Amino acid sequence: GIQVEQSPPDLILQEGANSTLRCNFSDSVNNLQWFHQNPWGQLINLFYIPSGTKQNGRLSATTVATERYSLLYISSSQTTDSGVYFCAVGKGAQKLVFGQGTRLTINP
Amino acid sequence: NAGVTQTPKFQVLKTGQSMTLQCAQDMNHNSMYWYRQDPGMGLRLIYYSASEGTTDKGEVPNGYNVSRLNKREFSLRLESAAPSQTSVYFCASRATLNTEAFFGQGTRLTVV
Repeated sequence: GIQVEQSPPDLILQEGANSTLRCNFSDSVNNLQWFHQNPWGQLINLFYIPSGTKQNGRLSATTVATERYSLLYISSSQTTDSGVYFCAVGKGAQKLVFGQGTRLTINP
Repeated sequence: NAGVTQTPKFQVLKTGQSMTLQCAQDMNHNSMYWYRQDPGMGLRLIYYSASEGTTDKGEVPNGYNVSRLNKREFSLRLESAAPSQTSVYFCASRATLNTEAFFGQGTRLTVV
């Protein structure tokens, strides 16, 4: 099955900093999502982005499907951005496969 | 619009007890999924239902059964709970295979 690798595993930043999270996957996909799991455990949809670039406020994402990676950019970080960010991918009839996540801590 | 609703939110079971986790979605989605999340890890698929009337095993199905009761509801049953099933369980749904998936708020299960 598809393997998903996220980096870095942990990231600690000061409020106001920018960050880039990476998701590599081992096969071509036609389904890719980014989620934020907040400190209360809720999974929040950030982007559905099997290819191309999308932006939503301070967050943006780019997926280069031919090179099998996706990037999530967070600008001007806030403490509420803390939590774990997951990338999940799928191909054809296959289900979403999750990476291990990047734990982001934003200090005031 | 509630999205994906899971019940209960928290549960403590004794080893050997049984229970059913409930999941309902109001988005008219065809596909539904059950995942588990262990501490410090990503989510792993237990079972899924691609459409009403069908169910299939995922990555970690042992010890679980599912029922797709109708298009809205997909339940997960633990017949004889074991401490290794202590986890957070998430239900998800999506309209079709190549569309965005939405998750419920999770059920935190502890087996003692």
